[in-house]
Amino acid sequence: GAVVSQHPSRVICKSGTSVKIECRSLDFQATTMFWYRQFPKQSLMLMATSNEGSKATYEQGVEKDKFLINHASLTLSTLTVTSAHPEDSSFYICSAMGQGGERSGYTFGSGTRLTVV
Amino acid sequence: QKEVEQDPGPLSVPEGAIVSLNCTYSNSAFQYFMWYRQYSRKGPELLMYTYSSGNKEDGRFTAQVDKSSKYISLFIRDSQPSDSATYLCAMRPGAAGNKLTFGGGTRVLVKP
Repeated sequence: GAVVSQHPSRVICKSGTSVKIECRSLDFQATTMFWYRQFPKQSLMLMATSNEGSKATYEQGVEKDKFLINHASLTLSTLTVTSAHPEDSSFYICSAMGQGGERSGYTFGSGTRLTVV
Repeated sequence: QKEVEQDPGPLSVPEGAIVSLNCTYSNSAFQYFMWYRQYSRKGPELLMYTYSSGNKEDGRFTAQVDKSSKYISLFIRDSQPSDSATYLCAMRPGAAGNKLTFGGGTRVLVKP
């Protein structure tokens, strides 16, 4: 089945620095990837939709300049949290639409726990 | 009112029992329905995927969709302690868009 690899699984960074999270589709090409944020005991909150070769579409209230998304190839999308602050600490998860297109479920990465100190 | 409603639980059942989960939704445009299982500090794992109304069975899992009632269900037979997790329903429209709308998740505890 479709596999999405997300790296790193956990990262601790100092306030003011930037952190890059990678999301790779291992055995299929993903023209569309999604980035979510999840707070403890809450559901997933969609941050942005990433399309290969074009600019990401951000959800309302998500700062484009803070959460930079790049989808340069059909198998890789990255999320960079710039000038991170403690309030950016969260669980970030990516997902990709399966290779079957519209009639596929969406596969998720294993998530990245970001702690900003 | 949320687009997708899901009881947060926790739902506690003895090992071997049937777990019954459900979601209601308000957007009649939803056509694709999914159920995910999420363990603590992990990404969601796709369990079932259905298109439009009907039933789908896969091993111990059965998914049902009733579009006329805007109601979807997931049943887990012969539940095991390893089924203890949060279960999320998700859905999206057809050609109109591909963003998923999630329910809030139901926490399930299967006691040995």
